[in-house]
Amino acid sequence: QVTLRESGPALVKPTQTLALTCTFSGFSLSTSGVSVGWVRQSPGKALEWLALIDGDDNEFYNSSLRTRLTVSKDTSKNQVVLKMTNMDPVDTGTYYCARISGYELMDAFDIWGQGTMVTVSS
Amino acid sequence: DIQMTQSPSSLSASVGDRVTITCRASHTIDTYLQWYQQKAGKAPRLLIYGASTLQRGVPSRFSGSGSGTEFTLTITSLQPEDFATYFCQQSYSSPPAPSFGGGTKVEI
Repeated sequence: QVTLRESGPALVKPTQTLALTCTFSGFSLSTSGVSVGWVRQSPGKALEWLALIDGDDNEFYNSSLRTRLTVSKDTSKNQVVLKMTNMDPVDTGTYYCARISGYELMDAFDIWGQGTMVTVSS
Repeated sequence: DIQMTQSPSSLSASVGDRVTITCRASHTIDTYLQWYQQKAGKAPRLLIYGASTLQRGVPSRFSGSGSGTEFTLTITSLQPEDFATYFCQQSYSSPPAPSFGGGTKVEI
């Protein structure tokens, strides 16, 4: 069974750096065509892709947030970490990690974590 | 970046209705188009990938079509559990830069 779970602080102050961890099981990030991505959703708003990392350590970022984001992985722990600097109240929302499956599934986000709510407030 | 535009942003329907949601891409994306369903307080769920292939376990009343820049998601005979928000997403960009549509809320 494939699962992903996000963890991290529920509350961060403006200007702080957010660090979220995605812990997954049931698949390997070393498998060809598999990557892990991060998506966020402000309350009542659309989904916004943030970043993704593949098994070859290739990192890709949303161009509008590139300067604030870093994604990394620890294959031995089955974890992917997202860091976002200079947090602002507009960054408040639910942050999801998801498996991205290539080839037949054409890079669809096929399995999602439950999401973690992050509030940015002083 | 490829922009995805969904219409309508919301719609009202009844159980048993046929519902169609449209998604347009700002550039051609072949069939690199996915549809997701999201219920309140839950994570999105993949319904359709490759514009028209049903993900395992998704009821056959859901179908997708289109290629290039215009796509549709159709729900035949809407069921009570289908009231949710639906998002399209493109995965055509290279290097990868997935983007989502603004969502369509299907309400009673």
